[in-house]
Parts: sequence; structure tokens; C-alpha cells
Amino acid sequence: AQSVTQLGSHVSVSEGALVLLRCNYSSSVPPYLFWYVQYPNQGLQLLLKYTSAATLVKGINGFEAEFKKSETSFHLTKPSAHMSDAAEYFCAVSAGFYSGGGADGLTFGKGTHLIIQP
Amino acid sequence: SAVISQKPSRDICQRGTSLTIQCQVDSQVTMMFWYRQQPGQSLTLIATANQGSEATYESGFVIDKFPISRPNLTFSTLTVSNMSPEDSSIYLCSVEPFSSRAEAFFGQGTRLTVV
Repeated sequence: AQSVTQLGSHVSVSEGALVLLRCNYSSSVPPYLFWYVQYPNQGLQLLLKYTSAATLVKGINGFEAEFKKSETSFHLTKPSAHMSDAAEYFCAVSAGFYSGGGADGLTFGKGTHLIIQP
Repeated sequence: SAVISQKPSRDICQRGTSLTIQCQVDSQVTMMFWYRQQPGQSLTLIATANQGSEATYESGFVIDKFPISRPNLTFSTLTVSNMSPEDSSIYLCSVEPFSSRAEAFFGQGTRLTVV
């Protein structure tokens, strides 16, 4: 079984400041990890994913995340926040590829609402 | 990638009635997933729909309440039966295309309000 913990239901940063959204996971097998973004009244968009290749993953819109096995973390960062980054961010884990070859669905964290202050 | 079309995008329903949500994908996929997002909450997996077999439901979700059909590799439906106000949520369809392993794509969701 796997689980995801996102620290901070709301994170507020100033425009141009560093964005850091925290995600810790628990998984009994090597995980696949994902960050999704959800803008108001829209579906989910994949920002980036970790699938056991490079531990530093670069995604869209300037976001990146680093997989740290020793810390069971997959924190999302962006060097300089933009007003358009204001949204809900979800960290998710999947272990399905190790349990028979097919996807098993995603387990999501509770989400972090990112607020950008002008 | 995959383009997912969900219908309806939103609906307001009377308690005790049922609503069927459709999910159409522009390419063949093995697995289709249905999620629920309750107001202000995260996403919770309801069930996994594999073409040609019964859907697999997660703990807390049952077939009588959320029957699912998967008649082919590009289409699935989720029915929310005998609705109550507690069923008011966004229901999302998700797929993993053959060509994009380990990448789930989501539809825009169906916003359901039960009154």
C-alpha cells in the first residue's frame, strides 16, 4: 500500500520568490511519483513525474522536483513564482507497475493551495 | 497523450435519482479510472475499469452505488445511483494510454450537485 502526505494545505509566497511544496510518500515498492496542478474549475494537468530514472525531474512551467529515497520525499520547487502559478497542487504515488504490469491508479495527497502575493 | 471528453460537465440532480457520466478517449487504452473529488478535498480512486472484465472497486465504494461499464477500449461510463447530497462531488475519468506509460491523463470532470 502507498500513501502521500503533503505538508501545508496552504502556502503563500510573494511573486518572484521561491516556491517549495512538500510531499512525502510511503510505498512498499519503488514508487512512481507525480505532481499535478489543478486550476479553478479545470481538470488535472501533469507537471512532472518520477519513474526511476533521473532523481531530479524537470517539468512544465519551470517546476522541478527531486526524488530523495532516504527522506521518502518528492518536493516540488520553482525558483521564481509567477501570479499564474496560483492553483491547487497535488502529489501522487503509484506502485501499479510493480504489481503485475498494469497501472493501479494513483493515490493522491490532500493537496496544497498555492497563493501568490503581488 | 490522450484527449478525454467527459459528459456532462455539470449537473444538478434530485436526491434518489441516478446520473450516468460518460468518458470518451481519443485513443485505445487498457485501464480507465474513475475518481471522486469532494468539495475542497483531494481525489479518491473509486474503481478501475478494464475492458472485458468487471471493474475493480476501492474500499468504501460498491458496484450497486457506482456501477461502471467498459464496453470497448475508448469508452466507459460511471453511474451514481440513488443519489444523496453527500454524493455532490466532481467525478473525474482518467486513462493511461499505451504510448505514455506511467502518465495518467484526466478529463475535465463532471461537477455533480445533488439537491
